Amino acid sequence: GNSVTQMEGPVTLSEEAFLTINCTYTATGYPSLFWYVQYPGEGLQLLLKATKADDKGSNKGFEATYRKETTSFHLEKGSVQVSDSAVYFCALTPMNSGYSTLTFGKGTMLLVSP
Amino acid sequence: DTAVSQTPKYLVTQMGNDKSIKCEQNLGHDTMYWYKQDSKKFLKIMFSYNNKELIINETVPNRFSPKSPDKAHLNLHINSLELGDSAVYFCASSPSTGRPRVEQYFGPGTRLTVT
Repeated sequence: GNSVTQMEGPVTLSEEAFLTINCTYTATGYPSLFWYVQYPGEGLQLLLKATKADDKGSNKGFEATYRKETTSFHLEKGSVQVSDSAVYFCALTPMNSGYSTLTFGKGTMLLVSP
Repeated sequence: DTAVSQTPKYLVTQMGNDKSIKCEQNLGHDTMYWYKQDSKKFLKIMFSYNNKELIINETVPNRFSPKSPDKAHLNLHINSLELGDSAVYFCASSPSTGRPRVEQYFGPGTRLTVT
């Protein structure tokens, strides 16, 4: 079946540090890949997405590249801010799904201190 | 304007009770979903409706009954609530065109606490 594996958190960083959150997936074919972010007490918001191999999604300084050869979609940011503190979810939609059924990773909490 | 709204935001109730959570989207989407987020933040799909028709039912106990009166609304009714039903429930929607590559839009969540 389809699955997403994320690094365990929490990830604790100082402001302006470099961020990497690892995400690998298992799925047949070419799934669509997403990063969602959940700020404290809020719902999930789409952060970025990529729908085919070698695509790079980017938004708000965050980037992730769809790597088919390593089945990965790692999230990176060059300089984090306190306001980036949140839970980050990697997710996929299978290629052969007629509907946008998301399979989520377990989430990675990011804590950024001043 | 809120794109996907849920009511109530918080729901505290006793075991054995029946409760409903409502969801509305004003995005013009025709596919809606219910997800459950447990205490460890893990998210799992429960149901999906497309144009008022149930298309996904992920082995959820039949105490949970979704209802879609029209494509802008998807409500979740839970009978005989149990302690293990305590979680945050998220509603989401997406357009049907362009799937499966389109993103879903999530509501703010309903935190259900069963005592």
